[in-house]
Amino acid sequence: DSGVTQTPKHLITATGQRVTLRCSPRSGDLSVYWYQQSLDQGLQFLIQYYNGEERAKGNILERFSAQQFPDLHSELNLSSLELGDSALYFCASSVEGMNTEAFFGQGTRLTVV
Amino acid sequence: QKEVEQDPGPLSVPEGAIVSLNCTYSNSAFQYFMWYRQYSRKGPELLMYTYSSGNKEDGRFTAQVDKSSKYISLFIRDSQPSDSATYLCAGDMRFGAGTRLTVKP
Repeated sequence: DSGVTQTPKHLITATGQRVTLRCSPRSGDLSVYWYQQSLDQGLQFLIQYYNGEERAKGNILERFSAQQFPDLHSELNLSSLELGDSALYFCASSVEGMNTEAFFGQGTRLTVV
Repeated sequence: QKEVEQDPGPLSVPEGAIVSLNCTYSNSAFQYFMWYRQYSRKGPELLMYTYSSGNKEDGRFTAQVDKSSKYISLFIRDSQPSDSATYLCAGDMRFGAGTRLTVKP
């Protein structure tokens, strides 16, 4: 158990809908990263937050947004969902930024039908 | 161009073989390099973590980084069937595509 908790584990929703994925980092970790992993693909970096502030942004679609709350948990919001958004979504957390080890949650499997 | 390039394989080796996994990266600003192992699309597990160039060894695993050539390597000695997984390299938390490794008994 990495100590990073993601909910829900599975999510099935229809095209055009909006969903929210939640990530609780390890105790004491200030940084949260979000990744998308499509079938047989690597981890695509979406966005990183550090202590409530956006630190880095990757190839995140405009339909996607994220935030990190004062208690350091983070949410990834996906809207106007398309079939191609079906994927595993992982979050990772680390004590600081990219200069410390990061640990992953077990992911949320999103299926858009 | 992806920031981190990794041959997706698949790679199949017999038990006991030495495995060499490699990545290249394009962003010269990368300072921190990691190898993660992922089983069946579960959450990736951190295997090795190195800063800048050099070698790091942990049991059967050795990670090497050559910043001059922008090359990242992972060596697995005495490979075991339990090492069968996808191995992901990263620079500053930017990942390659992952290499699927199978170790056959």
